[in-house]
Amino acid sequence: KAGVTQTPRYLIKTRGQQVTLSCSPISGHRSVSWYQQTPGQGLQFLFEYFSETQRNKGNFPGRFSGRQFSNSRSEMNVSTLELGDSALYLCASSLQTGGTDTQYFGPGTRLTVL
Amino acid sequence: KNEVEQSPQNLTAQEGEFITINCSYSVGISALHWLQQHPGGGIVSLFMLSSGKKKHGRLIATINIQEKHSSLHITASHPRDSAVYICAVPHKYGNKLVFGAGTILRVKS
Repeated sequence: KAGVTQTPRYLIKTRGQQVTLSCSPISGHRSVSWYQQTPGQGLQFLFEYFSETQRNKGNFPGRFSGRQFSNSRSEMNVSTLELGDSALYLCASSLQTGGTDTQYFGPGTRLTVL
Repeated sequence: KNEVEQSPQNLTAQEGEFITINCSYSVGISALHWLQQHPGGGIVSLFMLSSGKKKHGRLIATINIQEKHSSLHITASHPRDSAVYICAVPHKYGNKLVFGAGTILRVKS
């Protein structure tokens, strides 16, 4: 069974631009969670989607948004990029909700904002 | 006080040593996750447990719900165990994961 895939793996953008990251979960998994990892803040929860509905949201500004499609693939979008958005963005999929189910992580997208 | 506290922050061990990493949390939980992150960023879920003990190869995870404490043990450590080990618990509101700061483990040969 194929693992979680994320595209692109690396991305360089400039301040003010927007970016869209993609995550394809393991086949059959309905939950996709997104996380941001920075050296200063560590891993932080962004949001979780389950069956195309946002189930949980972390403490991030409205510039961070996401969606999930009927095939469970998910995208996250960051608008008006700031230098502080430079981070590793990870998605993880699980059969049920991410908090109480084993999560399978993708390799991450490393975003650099210049 | 952070919801999830890990100790130690850094750990250096000699190959073959028994290693223990600790995780304490402040809220009631339904499950606790142990994750491993290698240099380069990839994260692997090692364990999810809600009570007692789980074992996988040389790795053992235990949890004491009453004391709000979990430990990850590595027996006969090996340089390939060098990684960051992270514990995480679901937030009391909504099941989103809250992470510890991680323990950086280096095993020397």
